[in-house]
Amino acid sequence: DAGVTQSPTHLIKTRGQHVTLRCSPISGHKSVSWYQQVLGQGPQFIFQYYEKEERGRGNFPDRFSARQFPNYSSELNVNALLLGDSALYLCASSLADGGALLLVSGANVLTFGAGSRLTVL
Amino acid sequence: AQSVAQPEDQVNVAEGNPLTVKCTYSVSGNPYLFWYVQYPNRGLQFLLKYITGDNLVKGSYGFEAEFNKSQTSFHLKKPSALVSDSALYFCAVRDRAGNTPLVFGKGTRLSVIA
Repeated sequence: DAGVTQSPTHLIKTRGQHVTLRCSPISGHKSVSWYQQVLGQGPQFIFQYYEKEERGRGNFPDRFSARQFPNYSSELNVNALLLGDSALYLCASSLADGGALLLVSGANVLTFGAGSRLTVL
Repeated sequence: AQSVAQPEDQVNVAEGNPLTVKCTYSVSGNPYLFWYVQYPNRGLQFLLKYITGDNLVKGSYGFEAEFNKSQTSFHLKKPSALVSDSALYFCAVRDRAGNTPLVFGKGTRLSVIA
């Protein structure tokens, strides 16, 4: 089975530009989460989506947005890029969200993709 | 708010020796705890998790971790380190109460020397 796939793997943008990152979850996984990993730091939570609805949002500006499609794939969009947006963007999928099935889904393992490395010049 | 502390940026150990990577956490309720490993230019790979029950959790590649509620710790251990264990290790926590995201520590770089 294919794991979590992300594209592109690497990209270079300049300040002020826009970027779209894509993620395909593991087959059968309905929840997708996005994390930002700046060099030397741990991953920071950006968004979680489940069944096309936003279920959580981290402390990121409105320049960051995301959506989930009917096939459960997801896009992360970042507008007006800043130098500080340079990072590895990680997508993770899991079976369920943390809502009604919290006692089970809260224990679900997030399976991560290899990430998209964004460099902003 | 939940948080994770990994007090060591770097841990060096000789091959064949036991290793420990430290982690302490803070949550308002009871935790779900996880360890992930990251190799260069790769995403995070799941090692093990604590949900409930036995405080000693065994995971992939011979790793284990011990949950200590009184010390709010979840240290990662392995009896005999391999050079191939050299990587970046992340501890993560999620509060059982409420729909909260998985929160990661800043990571500990493990270097196993032959």
